[in-house]
Amino acid sequence: KNQVEQSPQSLIILEGKNCTLQCNYTVSPFSNLRWYKQDTGRGPVSLTIMTFSENTKSNGRYTATLDADTKQSSLHITASQLSDSASYICVVSAGPTSYDKVIFGPGTSLSVIP
Amino acid sequence: DTGVSQNPRHKITKRGQNVTFRCDPISEHNRLYWYRQTLGQGPEFLTYFQNEAQLEKSRLLSDRFSAERPKGSFSTLEIQRTEQGDSAMYLCASSGDWQTDTQYFGPGTRLTVL
Repeated sequence: KNQVEQSPQSLIILEGKNCTLQCNYTVSPFSNLRWYKQDTGRGPVSLTIMTFSENTKSNGRYTATLDADTKQSSLHITASQLSDSASYICVVSAGPTSYDKVIFGPGTSLSVIP
Repeated sequence: DTGVSQNPRHKITKRGQNVTFRCDPISEHNRLYWYRQTLGQGPEFLTYFQNEAQLEKSRLLSDRFSAERPKGSFSTLEIQRTEQGDSAMYLCASSGDWQTDTQYFGPGTRLTVL
């Protein structure tokens, strides 16, 4: 069964600190993995996308890693800001083409406090 | 604003009524997706269009749900005989990049069925 799991479920950190969110998947065949940020009450916004051959991808203070062998990904947030408070969703696409099946993880809720 | 727009933003209806949501994708994006998201969960794929063709439907899309994209531009999602379990956020996304399929999400329509 194709699944995407994320940990932790929720996280509270102090402003300025770093944090790492985890994503494990059992999706096959693998096409790509994306991280989205979703503010409360709004649609998700794409942060990074990685294909099988990519190990790391950065977008400002966000750095995503991918280990296709262990089927794990992480999203590292550096020097957190209050505006980073949101749900972070890992999304894995299966199939030879990316639109065949898109599996969303449940998300990690991040709260950055002053 | 040239992003994905959805209308209405909120809809409250009584059980058994029909509702219709509209999504206007980013101009010239040929792919359009509908997702459903319940509180605390990641979005679930419902259906996908490439231009006016509906290429994939999730098993979540019961026969009470129908989606159209008649001219390959905006799309509508209709729910007939609504049930309380239909209460959710309905998200629309569009994509114009064939290779990465980066999806840009709208703000969503929040449906409450009383």
